[in-house]
Amino acid sequence: EAQVTQNPRYLITVTGKKLTVTCSQNMNHEYMSWYRQDPGLGLRQIYYSMNVEVTDKGDVPEGYKVSRKEKRNFPLILESPSPNQTSLYFCASSSLGLAGGSNTGELFFGEGSRLTVL
Amino acid sequence: RKEVEQDPGPFNVPEGATVAFNCTYSNSASQSFFWYRQDCRKEPKLLMSVYSSGNEDGRFTAQLNRASQYISLLIRDSKLSDSATYLCVVNPRRAGSYQLTFGKGTKLSVIP
Repeated sequence: EAQVTQNPRYLITVTGKKLTVTCSQNMNHEYMSWYRQDPGLGLRQIYYSMNVEVTDKGDVPEGYKVSRKEKRNFPLILESPSPNQTSLYFCASSSLGLAGGSNTGELFFGEGSRLTVL
Repeated sequence: RKEVEQDPGPFNVPEGATVAFNCTYSNSASQSFFWYRQDCRKEPKLLMSVYSSGNEDGRFTAQLNRASQYISLLIRDSKLSDSATYLCVVNPRRAGSYQLTFGKGTKLSVIP
C-alpha cells in the first residue's frame, strides 16, 4: 500500500530534550516536505527536499533541522524543543511529475504527529 | 495582502444545498492551484487540481480567475460526508521550485 509513515504519532516531551520525528515514504517520490499546523495559522512549511541531499527552508524553519540521506526518509529533528514548537506535524511527499516541466501537485501526507513540549 | 486567503467559515448548509468557496492569492506569477480536503484531526488529501479552463469532478467544480487572482470551489447537492475543512493551495513559484502555500481553510458543516 502506498503510504507516508510518520513516527511517533503522539509525543509529550520537555524543553531542551532532543527529538526526531521520522518520515518514510514507499512511493519513490523525489519531493518530501514537513509542515506544522496550528489553530488559526493553517499549514506552514518547515523544510522541504527536492531530492536526496537537497533540502531547503520553508516558511518557518527556525528550531528545526532535516536531512535527506535516502530517497525514502526525511526525518525532522528538534535539537532543543521549546513550548512554541507544540504543534501537529505533517510529513508529505510527491512525485511532482517533473518530467516535461509539469507537476501533478498531489501531496501525499502522513497521518500526523502531535507533539507537546512542556 | 496575505499570500493565500480564504474565508474561514464555518459554512453551515443543509443537505442538498449548493455552496461555493473562494480563495484569493497574491502572487500573480503563481503556476498551479489545488483544493485539498481535511477531515477533523486527519491529514489533508487532494480533492482536485484547478485548471485554467475550469474543471469538474462529479458534484465538485473548480475555477480559476487569473485576472482577479482567485480560485473557487463549488459543491452541488451537498452530502453530510462533505463536512470537512477545504484548503486552497497555491504554488507561488515557477515549476521546478515546489513550495506550496496553504490557505488556512474553510470549514464546511452539512446539516441533516
